Amino acid sequence: DAMVIQNPRYQVTQFGKPVTLSCSQTLNHNVMYWYQQKSSQAPKLLFHYYDKDFNNEADTPDNFQSRRPNTSFCFLDIRSPGLGDAAMYLCATSDHNEQFFGPGTRLTVL
Amino acid sequence: DQQVKQNSPSLSVQEGRISILNCDYTNSMFDYFLWYKKYPAEGPTFLISISSIKDKNEDGRFTVFLNKSAKHLSLHIVPSQPGDSAVYFCAATETSGSRLTFGEGTQLTVNP
Repeated sequence: DAMVIQNPRYQVTQFGKPVTLSCSQTLNHNVMYWYQQKSSQAPKLLFHYYDKDFNNEADTPDNFQSRRPNTSFCFLDIRSPGLGDAAMYLCATSDHNEQFFGPGTRLTVL
Repeated sequence: DQQVKQNSPSLSVQEGRISILNCDYTNSMFDYFLWYKKYPAEGPTFLISISSIKDKNEDGRFTVFLNKSAKHLSLHIVPSQPGDSAVYFCAATETSGSRLTFGEGTQLTVNP
């Protein structure tokens, strides 16, 4: 089945210790997104790629970086996680208006 | 600036009855609207959408209504089933762009 896969599903890191979340897709969509979602809040777009073109949201902290080495994979790097970065991180893909989401990675910062 | 708002954080209905989830938006450039459903520990899954050229779109038990003049849309679920219990997110976009703007979600609970 074509899908969006996120690994790991649960990630625990220490305050200030870099962490990388990964996303892969078999849909061959040219757009990939990273969202941050905290409890009872709307998913917040961090950045997206249109093919290799990177689009950063204006209010995304510099602490968050992303890489897209090829169409199938996209990574979210958090350089120095703070307690406020604990959240669900959602990856999504699209080729038109509809976005397809992965199951998310729940990040805990100790 | 919350451009998409879901004012009811929760809704509880009896099985078999109608569930109505509401969403308001402020950006008049939005011309495509989507509803997503999210179970705990899973990512949102697409449910139904509507273009601004329509005022209604139906898919089985799910119907979305759009009132452009009021900048309001609603999702009707009839009949509601316990398996429909989830968080429902409204989202909006401009078809010329690729960004979705989400509402905060409404937790629907359908009681047997």
